[in-house]
Amino acid sequence: GAGVSQSPSNKVTEKGKDVELRCDPISGHTALYWYRQSLGQGLEFLIYFQGNSAPDKSGLPSDRFSAERTGGSVSTLTIQRTQQEDSAVYLCASSFGQPGANVLTFGAGSRLTVL
Amino acid sequence: GESVGLHLPTLSVQEGDNSIINCAYSNSASDYFIWYKQESGKGPQFIIDIRSNMDKRQGQRVTVLLNKTVKHLSLQIAATQPGDSAVYFCAENMGQAGTALIFGKGTTLSVSS
Repeated sequence: GAGVSQSPSNKVTEKGKDVELRCDPISGHTALYWYRQSLGQGLEFLIYFQGNSAPDKSGLPSDRFSAERTGGSVSTLTIQRTQQEDSAVYLCASSFGQPGANVLTFGAGSRLTVL
Repeated sequence: GESVGLHLPTLSVQEGDNSIINCAYSNSASDYFIWYKQESGKGPQFIIDIRSNMDKRQGQRVTVLLNKTVKHLSLQIAATQPGDSAVYFCAENMGQAGTALIFGKGTTLSVSS
């Protein structure tokens, strides 16, 4: 597609439920990133996929968070047993390669509200 | 703590004025810096980037200045317009080290007519 597509755009869930957030990167982009943005805050790095390399998971806040990227394209971020502090906008971005060489293009984000 | 931060959380200017948004970084190994603009309800949008082998880079109405001595980055917006109202983030990266961009908390720019 022309840009990074994320779904759902809004998700309201109850505490303790699992959620899945989807990201469709720009076609041909080999790198994919997930960031979290809490209200009024900056972007917190979560996870980074680059081609077929093992993902950089160093930003995941707990083992309730996981992500996968199938076929080097679509990615799903899964949050298990959601907590109220998980409420945030989850942003996905993609690029042609490593950050130092290419600009990240962001999607509009998925707003998660945990009641 | 954060490796990238901004000096002021908010900045208010009049239309037509020049705006300067500042950012301090702490990682001396960072060699790539980038500014993003985020409008309400949207994802961040690329504005301009600069590598550590440069001191200044100009775009359309925007200029980024890098002072590696004091680890300071600034974004200058000329003739600020109401459409420039947004949150501005600086971000840093250690280039080919393969790490993700690290973002600061952002400065909210408000432009009044």
